[in-house]
Amino acid sequence: GQNIDQPTEMTATEGAIVQINCTYQTSGFNGLFWYQQHAGEAPTFLSYNVLDGLEEKGRFSSFLSRSKGYSYLLLKELQMKDSASYLCAVRDTWDTDKLIFGTGTRLQVFP
Amino acid sequence: SAVISQKPSRDICQRGTSLTIQCQVDSQVTMMFWYRQQPGQSLTLIATANQGSEATYESGFVIDKFPISRPNLTFSTLTVSNMSPEDSSIYLCSVDQGVDYEQYFGPGTRLTVT
Repeated sequence: GQNIDQPTEMTATEGAIVQINCTYQTSGFNGLFWYQQHAGEAPTFLSYNVLDGLEEKGRFSSFLSRSKGYSYLLLKELQMKDSASYLCAVRDTWDTDKLIFGTGTRLQVFP
Repeated sequence: SAVISQKPSRDICQRGTSLTIQCQVDSQVTMMFWYRQQPGQSLTLIATANQGSEATYESGFVIDKFPISRPNLTFSTLTVSNMSPEDSSIYLCSVDQGVDYEQYFGPGTRLTVT
């Protein structure tokens, strides 16, 4: 079966660093994506990993270990506007380019 | 990235009726995807729509309940048929058009069934 797990909720303080974990078990793997979704809005693309290692994009970094079925999204210098849900998604190799989304992590940033 | 619009943005419908949601993209794309996001939940893929062929539905979703049209490379519709309150959800369309074929989402249609 397809299974992608994330913590349901996390809290952090403005200016801090937070790591959101994602573990996956899928029949195929052709990349892992992170999306940000503010309440009432559509998801927006943050990052993509297909090879092991760290990808850095400004304040956001994403890490992948394919052997462990594990990824994390690292948010540095947190800002209030980073309060949102963060969705991990795996692209299934053996089908169309469809994405399988994880349960999502709701992050609240406090002053 | 592609610019995607959806109509309607929201609607309140009576039980037993049907609603057709439109998705328009500003460029030609091969695949379009339809998702459902129930309140407080993550996204669940309903079906993948390729131009010129039947949509491919995910487990738990059937064509009679969610018929999809894909008449050309920039447009698709999803119909939610014979609605019940359990169909109250946000419906989103997306396309994979980024450098890494990442998906970009439309603004969503918020459906409430009474």
